[in-house]
Amino acid sequence: AQSVTQPDIHITVSEGASLELRCNYSYGATPYLFWYVQSPGQGLQLLLKYFSGDTLVQGIKGFEAEFKRSQSSFNLRKPSVHWSDAAEYFCAVGAEQAGTALIFGKGTTLSVSS
Amino acid sequence: DGGITQSPKYLFRKEGQNVTLSCEQNLNHDAMYWYRQDPGQGLRLIYYSQIVNDFQKGDIAEGYSVSREKKESFPLTVTSAQKNPTAFYLCARTIGGSTGNTIYFGEGSWLTVV
Repeated sequence: AQSVTQPDIHITVSEGASLELRCNYSYGATPYLFWYVQSPGQGLQLLLKYFSGDTLVQGIKGFEAEFKRSQSSFNLRKPSVHWSDAAEYFCAVGAEQAGTALIFGKGTTLSVSS
Repeated sequence: DGGITQSPKYLFRKEGQNVTLSCEQNLNHDAMYWYRQDPGQGLRLIYYSQIVNDFQKGDIAEGYSVSREKKESFPLTVTSAQKNPTAFYLCARTIGGSTGNTIYFGEGSWLTVV
């Protein structure tokens, strides 16, 4: 079955500390992988995406993610978290064909402590 | 807003009533989607449409209906058959082509049954 698992429901990180959010996927075809961020009551904003090539991808707001095929993972990282990063983060997987829907994980809520 | 306009932002519905959520895109993209979001559940696909006058059911289509009479519009009707309609609804569109199948979201609509 195709699925995305985000093992951590809620994570709290101190401001200035590093962050890693985990994402594991199960997908029958070549996966296209995404991370989105959502502030309360808002839509989802695309942080970054992986289609092919370099397995370390850079995104907006200083985020990066690394695709590891052998581990079926696509973990999101940031070296130094800011209070404004507090939000909900979603990992998603999809196919190459335009018009196919994404499968989302259940999300990880990030809290940032001062 | 990702090129997607959703309205209304907040909507209240009485038990037994149908309600329609509007979704318009202005970038001439073919594929559009409706997702439902509940706390702790991530995003679940309701319907999607790849071309005008064609659409497919997602994972939780029961109690919902859609139409795609124009490329730029993909309204979602929440019918009285939907047992638990209170949720946050997100419309999205796809940018395909050489950058792959990337989905961009609108700001969402809150539906509350009273």
